[in-house]
Amino acid sequence: AAGVIQSPRHLIKEKRETATLKCYPIPRHDTVYWYQQGPGQDPQFLISFYEKMQSDKGSIPDRFSAQQFSDYHSELNMSSLELGDSALYFCASSYTGWGASTDTQYFGPGTRLTVL
Amino acid sequence: EDKVVQSPLSLVVHEGDTVTLNCSYEVTNFRSLLWYKQEKKAPTFLFMLTSSGIEKKSGRLSSILDKKELFSILNITATQTGDSAVYLCDYLKTGANSKLTFGKGITLSVRP
Repeated sequence: AAGVIQSPRHLIKEKRETATLKCYPIPRHDTVYWYQQGPGQDPQFLISFYEKMQSDKGSIPDRFSAQQFSDYHSELNMSSLELGDSALYFCASSYTGWGASTDTQYFGPGTRLTVL
Repeated sequence: EDKVVQSPLSLVVHEGDTVTLNCSYEVTNFRSLLWYKQEKKAPTFLFMLTSSGIEKKSGRLSSILDKKELFSILNITATQTGDSAVYLCDYLKTGANSKLTFGKGITLSVRP
């Protein structure tokens, strides 16, 4: 079965650079979530989108922005990168739609960002 | 303030043992509790529990939710080394597009 696809899988950047992470949800899923997991930490919710509109916002820094496109894929844009941004960034998708949502969020493999 | 507490934080068992992982919660507008398994990669969905007292099973894993006492347990029988992972418990609140809020996780190590 198709899963959530994230690219790139690994990314190395220097401080003050910009990075863009991409997420392709499971087909027919309309909701995308972004999480950040630092070393030895729990995943922290950043932001989510439903039907191309931001639906919830967590601890996302102002230097980061995200959007969901018409094909439901999402991109997380990170500017002025800092050492502390080094983390594993997960994208998850779910189907909300009309009627009962699945609730279950299926995670992608993650993008490991290293900021030097 | 909503919170999830998992226990124990860490445990080490031998293959073949049975383990019980606990997750207690205090959440307003609670809807569902979910268990995930995380190895050195993305979390993998295990169970979603919405109704109290109904056990869900998947192979050697089972889980149940008690909405009166506000906790859930995840049981793993006949543990294998492949069960070694961090087990995350999290909740969903009522309302669309509810984000996951994870507990600290339980680190399970299964020794041969």
